[in-house]
Amino acid sequence: AQSVTQPDIHITVSEGASLELRCNYSYGATPYLFWYVQSPGQGLQLLLKYFSGDTLVQGIKGFEAEFKRSQSSFNLRKPSVHWSDAAEYFCAAAGGTSYGKLTFGQGTILTVHP
Amino acid sequence: DVKVTQSSRYLVKRTGEKVFLECVQDMDHENMFWYRQDPGLGLRLIYFSYDVKMKEKGDIPEGYSVSREKKERFSLILESASTNQTSMYLCASKGGMNTEAFFGQGTRLTVV
Repeated sequence: AQSVTQPDIHITVSEGASLELRCNYSYGATPYLFWYVQSPGQGLQLLLKYFSGDTLVQGIKGFEAEFKRSQSSFNLRKPSVHWSDAAEYFCAAAGGTSYGKLTFGQGTILTVHP
Repeated sequence: DVKVTQSSRYLVKRTGEKVFLECVQDMDHENMFWYRQDPGLGLRLIYFSYDVKMKEKGDIPEGYSVSREKKERFSLILESASTNQTSMYLCASKGGMNTEAFFGQGTRLTVV
């Protein structure tokens, strides 16, 4: 079955530290990949997306993600975290046999310590 | 800007009631989705629709049905609400497969 897995439920980092959030997918072929962020009480906002081409993708708010086919991964990174980055982050994928079905991972809650 | 509008931000319903959650999008998107969001479980797909009158079950369709009579509107129906359907419900719309999804603000449903 097609699935998206975010192994880390909760991550805590200090402000200014680097960040990496993990995402793994299980699809027959390379899906379209997305990262969304949800701040408390807010809707979901797209950070970045990967369809094809360059495997390092730049997004908004200083985030980037790297697609690694050999590892079926699409990890999100940021070199220096700000307190305002505290939120829940979701990896998602679309593709495979079912039209535009969009499947999400379980989410990773990011806490930022001052 | 794409706008996805959910009819209610908060709803309180009684067990056994029939509940309708409405979602409207203004970008002529083919695909529309209903998810429920629960802490630690992420967004779980209930149903999605890829065209008018077309629908496909998601991962947790039990206890729900949907209706898409017009392209811009996608309704989620709880046939007989139960307390375990208390949750945040998110609607999304999306164009082709390689496009991003846009989300509504969510409906927090409480079934008492």
